[in-house]
Amino acid sequence: GAGVSQTPSNKVTEKGKYVELRCDPISGHTALYWYRQSLGQGPEFLIYFQGTGAADDSGLPNDRFFAVRPEGSVSTLKIQRTERGDSAVYLCASSLQAGYTQYFGPGTRLTVL
Amino acid sequence: GNSVTQMEGPVTLSEEAFLTINCTYTATGYPSLFWYVQYPGEGLQLLLKATKADDKGSNKGFEATYRKETTSFHLEKGSVQVSDSAVYFCALSDQSNFGNEKLTFGTGTRLTIIP
Repeated sequence: GAGVSQTPSNKVTEKGKYVELRCDPISGHTALYWYRQSLGQGPEFLIYFQGTGAADDSGLPNDRFFAVRPEGSVSTLKIQRTERGDSAVYLCASSLQAGYTQYFGPGTRLTVL
Repeated sequence: GNSVTQMEGPVTLSEEAFLTINCTYTATGYPSLFWYVQYPGEGLQLLLKATKADDKGSNKGFEATYRKETTSFHLEKGSVQVSDSAVYFCALSDQSNFGNEKLTFGTGTRLTIIP
């Protein structure tokens, strides 16, 4: 079946702009995670959804970052007033429920000029 | 807090060599341990996992044993192939986070196998 998909695959933007990154999880998966992977580093947790609600957003670096999952399926990560330090690969993962194997999407590479 | 420390790379080996990539962890609670692999141009894939002490995870000839006494989860393979060239990430999840089994990753080890 289809895996986790993320769009766009690449996003180049200018400092100060707003961006949205989309994640389509595997159908039926109730748990959804966002991670950020900087160059040469492992992924770092940003936010976790169980269904429609953000159960844990403790990894969001500041209030410029926000994520939604209004219908419990697709999720959008939103970054306001982007900064050069936001440049990274943003990964989405989904699992059947919390505690089950997380399946990762290919990521969105964000470059802030 | 939770953390994972893994062997820094890059690691270069000849085909059919024995591979070990070290991984140690610090965690509250009782973590599950994972190895994920990222092949060139592809997304992260789960390679193997172990959920409790002394469990051995295995897949595609790779093995790792959950050692609680040494807080380690070293990855091994007896005879590597060129197709094993990838970046390997050790990770843990901790069930103490109110049901959020977020993964904490190490920094990754780039492995290159030469024919």
